Amino acid sequence: GENVEQHPSTLSVQEGDSAVIKCTYSDSASNYFPWYKQELGKRPQLIIDIRSNVGEKKDQRIAVTLNKTAKHFSLHITETQPEDSAVYFCAASMRSSASKIIFGSGTRLSIRP
Amino acid sequence: EPEVTQTPSHQVTQMGQEVILRCVPISNHLYFYWYRQILGQKVEFLVSFYNNEISEKSEIFDDQFSVERPDGSNFTLKIRSTKLEDSAMYFCATTGVFQNEQFFGPGTRLTVL
Repeated sequence: GENVEQHPSTLSVQEGDSAVIKCTYSDSASNYFPWYKQELGKRPQLIIDIRSNVGEKKDQRIAVTLNKTAKHFSLHITETQPEDSAVYFCAASMRSSASKIIFGSGTRLSIRP
Repeated sequence: EPEVTQTPSHQVTQMGQEVILRCVPISNHLYFYWYRQILGQKVEFLVSFYNNEISEKSEIFDDQFSVERPDGSNFTLKIRSTKLEDSAMYFCATTGVFQNEQFFGPGTRLTVL
């Protein structure tokens, strides 16, 4: 079945620096790749997503890139702020309403003041 | 903005007892999901549900689990005889037709003693 690998598991960056989280997926039929931010005890919150017909997408300080050939996708956060501290999950899904989302193992991002 | 709601927020039960977790989907959504997250781990797919039947289920979703939409509004997850390892956060998610984004509820923390 589909598997999503994510690394690093923990990441500590200085406030203002950039953070990069990388993921790979196994099922070439996957074509929708959401990223979630989860604060302690809260629900996963969608922060950005990308579809397979697009190589890059940006929303303010957050950007995602997708390399469909290599089955890699990445999250980039620039100018990090203390409120960016959370666990981030990448995920993969087939592009249909009925499709399950397969999550990566998560990255705990800490922003050092 | 409409949100998925879940009750209870926290359920404590004895091993072997039955529990029912409830979700109220966003009103025009037709696809429903349950996910679980063991403390400190990734979010795992359990089951998807559409048109009053299961669309897909994971290997976690064994005979002890069942789902139903008893009254056209609530979407429930029942665990017939809880085990210690069922202790986790259970998230309901819903989505509409032709949508990819799944909207997550706030979760129910299940503690099995």
